[in-house]
Amino acid sequence: AQTVTQSQPEMSVQEAETVTLSCTYDTSENNYYLFWYKQPPSRQMILVIRQEAYKQQNATENRFSVNFQKAAKSFSLKISDSQLGDTAMYFCAFMKPGGTDKLIFGTGTRLQVFP
Amino acid sequence: DVKVTQSSRYLVKRTGEKVFLECVQDMDHENMFWYRQDPGLGLRLIYFSYDVKMKEKGDIPEGYSVSREKKERFSLILESASTNQTSMYLCASSLHQGRGTEAFFGQGTRLTVV
Repeated sequence: AQTVTQSQPEMSVQEAETVTLSCTYDTSENNYYLFWYKQPPSRQMILVIRQEAYKQQNATENRFSVNFQKAAKSFSLKISDSQLGDTAMYFCAFMKPGGTDKLIFGTGTRLQVFP
Repeated sequence: DVKVTQSSRYLVKRTGEKVFLECVQDMDHENMFWYRQDPGLGLRLIYFSYDVKMKEKGDIPEGYSVSREKKERFSLILESASTNQTSMYLCASSLHQGRGTEAFFGQGTRLTVV
């Protein structure tokens, strides 16, 4: 069975600085999808970034980028130029292809951005 | 914009009550999911459905059932609520493609069972 591990329950960063959130996963699949979801204090979860395992290139979305290391089964999220609005819970998630589209989530990292 | 709407943001129910949590999506998605979110445990899948009247158990289905009579609506039912079901419940929907499509979430229902 697949598992997703986020080893940092809480992190903090100063506004305009860069922060990296860690995620590791365990799977025997060769092809799969990885996601970072953000849950702000208002609670609606939204997608931050998505990575397809067969793509070597790391995904980027504006200030958000990932460091995908397939052999190490690592999928970290880098937030550059942190903003107060980045304060949220961040969840790493795994999905197998060709199946039911269900997500397997990590336990989350609570990120606080300070002015 | 995709909208996933959960009928209540906060609910307080008594032990033994039958509880219905409703979720509606407006983007014609085939997949719908119910997750439970607890501190330190992340999100855990309770049930999901990939078509009308179809349902499959997730990782923690005990004590729950679901209903999907219409494509846009997915209900979670607690047959006899217990205090250990106090939690945040999140509904989500997505296209059924098997290719890593984005899931869209509702705002969550904070359920307290007393």
